[in-house]
Amino acid sequence: GAGVSQTPSNKVTEKGKYVELRCDPISGHTALYWYRQSLGQGPEFLIYFQGTGAADDSGLPNDRFFAVRPEGSVSTLKIQRTERGDSAVYLCASSSSGTQGYEQYFGPGTRLTVT
Amino acid sequence: GQSLEQPSEVTAVEGAIVQINCTYQTSGFYGLSWYQQHDGGAPTFLSYNGLDGLEETGRFSSFLSRSDSYGYLLLQELQMKDSASYFCAVRVSGGGKLIFGQGTELSVKP
Repeated sequence: GAGVSQTPSNKVTEKGKYVELRCDPISGHTALYWYRQSLGQGPEFLIYFQGTGAADDSGLPNDRFFAVRPEGSVSTLKIQRTERGDSAVYLCASSSSGTQGYEQYFGPGTRLTVT
Repeated sequence: GQSLEQPSEVTAVEGAIVQINCTYQTSGFYGLSWYQQHDGGAPTFLSYNGLDGLEETGRFSSFLSRSDSYGYLLLQELQMKDSASYFCAVRVSGGGKLIFGQGTELSVKP
């Protein structure tokens, strides 16, 4: 079946602009995660959804970052007033449930570049 | 705080065995996962230890000692395609929040 998909694959934006990154998880997976990864680093946790609700948003760096999952499937990560330090690959992952969260299926990522 | 330590680079030859160690200090611990990531690719799940001991999955095995806050990934019969980055990740809650290490870049030489 289809894996996790993310759009766009690449996004270049100017400092101060607003961006939205989309994630389509594996069908039937109730848990969804957002990470960001800088070059040479491991993925850094941002937020975890169980169904429609954010079960843990402790990794969001500040209030410029926000994520939604209104119908418990597709999720959107929203970044306001982008800064150059936001440049990274944003990864989305899903798991069949939160209790199976040790086994996450990752999408190919969105490479965000803020100029 | 949360910290995971793993070697930054490991080199080995085809057909050999390599062990990648991971030590951790986290505020919660439910288990240790291992992921593989090829250059430009997505991380893919390899193995998970929720309890102490050895888990074997084909050429890959993973070990956990909770009392030592230590685990390792063992790769046997190395192949060129195993050249990639390997990440240990601590599951810090009953849900799916994973804290990743910085990764070990494995180079397999002919």
